[in-house]
Amino acid sequence: EAGVVQSPRYKIIEKKQPVAFWCNPISGHNTLYWYLQNLGQGPELLIRYENEEAVDDSQLPKDRFSAERLKGVDSTLKIQPAELGDSAVYLCASSPGQGNSGELFFGEGSRLTVL
Amino acid sequence: QKEVEQNSGPLSVPEGAIASLNCTYSDRGSQSFFWYRQYSGKSPELIMFIYSNGDKEDGRFTAQLNKASQYVSLLIRDSQPSDSATYLCAVNIYSSASKIIFGSGTRLSIRP
Repeated sequence: EAGVVQSPRYKIIEKKQPVAFWCNPISGHNTLYWYLQNLGQGPELLIRYENEEAVDDSQLPKDRFSAERLKGVDSTLKIQPAELGDSAVYLCASSPGQGNSGELFFGEGSRLTVL
Repeated sequence: QKEVEQNSGPLSVPEGAIASLNCTYSDRGSQSFFWYRQYSGKSPELIMFIYSNGDKEDGRFTAQLNKASQYVSLLIRDSQPSDSATYLCAVNIYSSASKIIFGSGTRLSIRP
């Protein structure tokens, strides 16, 4: 069974530029998460989807971050414009079933460096 | 007070000994608790979950939950160098809406 796939693995951009990350969850997993992880810290939730619906986006900085999950499968996370403080690893995770089971399967992450 | 707290470590344990990792949480309504292992440069992977008070064993790993004291721990028996990693505690917080909150992790080092 294929795991959660993320791309790109690494991205270096200058501040004020846009960037987008893509995630393909495990087949059949209805719940999809985007987390942000800084060095030495635990993952912090940005947004959670149940199928196509964003059920928790309370911690997504909506002035510069946006996300979508069309057709309830793949998801894209966008930052525009990027700031220096956005440098981090962006983790996508999926979970089987509905609700917040806590049994998350993470992708390898997209490491963003903003110069 | 952070919602999920862990000692950042590093925790150094000799090979073959028991490693004990602790986590406390603030929300008394929390129902489910998870331990994730994260190797350096890799993403977290789930190794244990526990829902009820008491102990849950899986191979060399034992998760312990005490809801009255609001702590959850992970014991690793017969520690191996391959257990060297950061261990993240995660709690399903139900204070307002269900949300999975991660601690900052404890770095474990197993010395040969």
